[in-house]
Amino acid sequence: KQEVTQIPAALSVPEGENLVLNCSFTDSAIYNLQWFRQDPGKGLTSLLLIQSSQREQTSGRLNASLDKSSGRSTLYIAASQPGDSATYLCAVRPWGGADGLTFGKGTHLIIQP
Amino acid sequence: DAGVIQSPRHEVTEMGQEVTLRCKPISGHDYLFWYRQTMMRGLELLIYFNNNVPIDDSGMPEDRFSAKMPNASFSTLKIQPSEPRDSAVYFCASSSGTGSRRDTQYFGPGTRLTVL
Repeated sequence: KQEVTQIPAALSVPEGENLVLNCSFTDSAIYNLQWFRQDPGKGLTSLLLIQSSQREQTSGRLNASLDKSSGRSTLYIAASQPGDSATYLCAVRPWGGADGLTFGKGTHLIIQP
Repeated sequence: DAGVIQSPRHEVTEMGQEVTLRCKPISGHDYLFWYRQTMMRGLELLIYFNNNVPIDDSGMPEDRFSAKMPNASFSTLKIQPSEPRDSAVYFCASSSGTGSRRDTQYFGPGTRLTVL
């Protein structure tokens, strides 16, 4: 059974810092990996999706990398801002046709002004 | 587009009562997913549909839970009878099965269920 782990569970940094969130998964047979953002009381917003054949994806100040063989992904946030404060969730979709996602429990990020 | 719509946003009920959660997916999407989020277990897939047909319900915790999708624009998740351990946030998500956008799932705002 696929398990997804996110470290750290919580992180608080001053505004302007660059930071890295980590995600690991136990079964490397994945179709893709997705990073989401969740704001309090809100649903999830997809940030980046990396197909299994890709190594990284970038969107603005966000960069996500994928090392499928080692079962790891990182989300890099450059020049953090208070508006980046949220919970960041990593999710994998298994190879082989299943469409549901397996989620990590998230990293709760606070950017101090 | 209005996005995925869920109702109600909050539901408080007493143990033993029937609870029905509703979801309207994004128009044109042919996949619909129900997830449950708790502090202890995080986000878990309960069931998903493709073209209104249930594909995988292995995540449904027990027979008290049932889900239907009578048409492409509406789905329900029902709990009967409800128990305090069902308290959670229930999310509905939808995605399109065609082209490069297939894998992006769009989530609704969730329904926060409290069973007393």
